[in-house]
Amino acid sequence: DAGVIQSPRHEVTEMGQEVTLRCKPISGHNSLFWYRQTMMRGLELLIYFNNNVPIDDSGMPEDRFSAKMPNASFSTLKIQPSEPRDSAVYFCASSFTGRGAKSPLHFGNGTRLTVT
Amino acid sequence: GENVEQHPSTLSVQEGDSAVIKCTYSDSASNYFPWYKQELGKRPQLIIDIRSNVGEKKDQRIAVTLNKTAKHFSLHITETQPEDSAVYFCAANNTGNQFYFGTGTSLTVIP
Repeated sequence: DAGVIQSPRHEVTEMGQEVTLRCKPISGHNSLFWYRQTMMRGLELLIYFNNNVPIDDSGMPEDRFSAKMPNASFSTLKIQPSEPRDSAVYFCASSFTGRGAKSPLHFGNGTRLTVT
Repeated sequence: GENVEQHPSTLSVQEGDSAVIKCTYSDSASNYFPWYKQELGKRPQLIIDIRSNVGEKKDQRIAVTLNKTAKHFSLHITETQPEDSAVYFCAANNTGNQFYFGTGTSLTVIP
């Protein structure tokens, strides 16, 4: 199993530009999570999907952030326009929840975003 | 929603000593408690987990205990080694499938 795959690993962009982060969850997992990690705020949940449907997006900072999950094997997190305060490591994670079964959360390697 | 608190935020121990990290949670419906280790520049990785029908679980030098009545759970690392140095996160998972994380403990093992 290749695990959760994120791309790109690093992204450096200028303020105002659009940024798109990508994630491929573990095959068979039905829940996908986007987290942001900074020294100041730790691990913050931005949004999570269950069976490709957004369940809780209350952690999305503002309208500049949007996330989609068009199918079970792909999700994107978009920031438009980006700002320096968006600089952080963004993790995608996936898990499985079914009738009487629950798997741990598996994280991807993250995308380190720097907005100058 | 769930609220997970984690203590201490930093911990230094001598190599060979034990380390204990404690977490409390607020939602009695939470029933799954994983622990993650994050090394510098890397992703959080699961090291051990416990479900609410179990009071204790061990895996070599690592153990986790759960007290459902008091709503707290702890990570115990015995015979610590320098490679145990990392940030450790506890988490609580409820029936809604969301994972709520503690704020992390930075563990330093001094050789």
